Amino acid sequence: QVQLVQSGPELKKPGASVKVSCKASGYTFSNYGISWVRQAPGQGLEWMGWISAKNGNTKYPQRLQGRVTMTTDTSTSTAYMELRSLRSDDTAVYYCARSGGLGTYWGDSWGQGTLVTVSS
Amino acid sequence: DIQMTQSPSTLSASVGDRVTLTCRASESINTWLAWYQQKPGKAPKLLIYTASNLESGVPSRFSGSGSGTEFTLTISSLQPDDFATYYCQQYSTYATFGPGTKVDIK
Repeated sequence: QVQLVQSGPELKKPGASVKVSCKASGYTFSNYGISWVRQAPGQGLEWMGWISAKNGNTKYPQRLQGRVTMTTDTSTSTAYMELRSLRSDDTAVYYCARSGGLGTYWGDSWGQGTLVTVSS
Repeated sequence: DIQMTQSPSTLSASVGDRVTLTCRASESINTWLAWYQQKPGKAPKLLIYTASNLESGVPSRFSGSGSGTEFTLTISSLQPDDFATYYCQQYSTYATFGPGTKVDIK
């Protein structure tokens, strides 16, 4: 069965960076993309971007351009999301989700979520 | 950016009720819309993609319809497991989620 397992919770100071991992199993990793979605405490869902596991092509929303980088390692079927210059409002649960190819940014299987707390 | 709105923000209903949730886009998104269910402390679960396609394993009491700017998610007979928050997501241009509709017990 498809499974996405994310790395553990993180506590970071403002201005620091965080890198969250998402290890996939149960399917051919390079045939799909990975989307990243976050959810601030008590808030709704925010799409953070998408990466193709086939060729590394990425799509980021304008508001996160320059602060976020998504990568994949096909040898370990793992996706990564790095967010830099952290602020308190980046405190959220971060999810990875299996997506399709370019333009198909829905997620049909999700990781368990990683809590990132930004606090001085 | 394409903005998504959902109504109502909260819906109180009883087991067995037929419920309809609405999602609107700020511009036409064709049928590039997905619906998710989320329960507290859990990851979202995909219910519907491309506006009306039922995800594998999702009960048939869930259905989606619409195109352009207006979409609906219908639960034909609400079950105890369906009390949750529902989000729509457009993926016509990048992706954006709606603010969600919480379905709670009347």
